[in-house]
Amino acid sequence: GAVVSQHPSWVICKSGTSVKIECRSLDFQATTMFWYRQFPKQSLMLMATSNEGSKATYEQGVEKDKFLINHASLTLSTLTVTSAHPEDSSFYICSARDIEGSSNQPQHFGDGTRLSIL
Amino acid sequence: RKEVEQDPGPFNVPEGATVAFNCTYSNSASQSFFWYRQDCRKEPKLLMSVYSSGNEDGRFTAQLNRASQYISLLIRDSKLSDSATYLCAVNKVPGDSNYQLIWGAGTKLIIKP
Repeated sequence: GAVVSQHPSWVICKSGTSVKIECRSLDFQATTMFWYRQFPKQSLMLMATSNEGSKATYEQGVEKDKFLINHASLTLSTLTVTSAHPEDSSFYICSARDIEGSSNQPQHFGDGTRLSIL
Repeated sequence: RKEVEQDPGPFNVPEGATVAFNCTYSNSASQSFFWYRQDCRKEPKLLMSVYSSGNEDGRFTAQLNRASQYISLLIRDSKLSDSATYLCAVNKVPGDSNYQLIWGAGTKLIIKP
């Protein structure tokens, strides 16, 4: 159980392109999903918390107009990197938490999306 | 002081040995604790939750020390496949409805044959 699917796994595109990443919880419902970014040999960095049916909450220093988040259903959140540039190249990972169960429920991660902007 | 701290390592350990590492947290009111492992260029995967009384899953034992505010992970009879980065995570704010986690930077473990 607790499977999170993230798509695509790899993206290579030209500078200025917008890239959309999907995160789906396959066998549970997730009111909240989280978007992280991780640069090589660095720790996970939370970018934003995505809540179903409402606006995402962005961490300090993360541009909301640059990283558009939509959480339209209890099983799907999307992150769109708008007008991507080489410095946006990174490993983007989503996670989701089952809405049922105790407060001790962990986060479950998607496979991640490796984004390379040329 | 960081909210969640881990020794980055690397810990170089011979196969079959026992290895343990800790993770300290600053918020004494924290309630949820987890260990994840992350392989190179992969996503983190849940290894185990950490319960107040301590818990064991095969070769892995997790413990919580509230007085000293740290959690620990013990790996017995280590295998080559245990080589990875081990991340600890602690809930951010007790009562936060989003249940955000604060992540340690990870401890790198290398098991040598």
